[in-house]
Amino acid sequence: DQQVKQNSPSLSVQEGRISILNCDYTNSMFDYFLWYKKYPAEGPTFLISISSIKDKNEDGRFTVFLNKSAKHLSLHIVPSQPGDSAVYFCAASASNFGNEKLTFGTGTRLTIIP
Amino acid sequence: DTGVSQDPRHKITKRGQNVTFRCDPISEHNRLYWYRQTLGQGPEFLTYFQNEAQLEKSRLLSDRFSAERPKGSFSTLEIQRTEQGDSAMYLCASSNQVYNSPLHFGNGTRLTVT
Repeated sequence: DQQVKQNSPSLSVQEGRISILNCDYTNSMFDYFLWYKKYPAEGPTFLISISSIKDKNEDGRFTVFLNKSAKHLSLHIVPSQPGDSAVYFCAASASNFGNEKLTFGTGTRLTIIP
Repeated sequence: DTGVSQDPRHKITKRGQNVTFRCDPISEHNRLYWYRQTLGQGPEFLTYFQNEAQLEKSRLLSDRFSAERPKGSFSTLEIQRTEQGDSAMYLCASSNQVYNSPLHFGNGTRLTVT
């Protein structure tokens, strides 16, 4: 049972344009959501997060949007740069877990075309 | 910044052999997590320590797997009688027990069982 879903395995975007990565979840207990970026042969690196009490969080070129009613979140990267080419994982946790245990999606490979 | 460190980076072993991996978390972090990632999947939770206490184990962690964190600092993950299905990237992460703090991952140990 995949509780966090990333339905697009890959995405290609022209440099300078906006990249939009999507994520859906099924577990209503999730109340904290994160995006991680992963380069080959490296561990996931934390990018940005959002609490369920918010619907938007921005950090520089990265913005995460949360639609709780639709159980959907998205990551916007603008403008996209070649260094953004990586695999992006959506992850979620629940405060009633008592810890920061994350449930991950299967990832979206983003390729930025120069 | 001495992030999460994992050793070895790569391990090739024959089926039936035992292997042990080590993780050194960020020094001030008291929570430590082990995850496993297979090709095309996101990281999957295996187990979690708070200080030296192992507080949660996934059903993915069969009885051939054992994890320890003897002094609440570094951790080891041992796999006994390895099987080809154990081939994966084993990731360690740590956090500092602040509400909604992200996990910080190491670069992982890639295990290949031949």
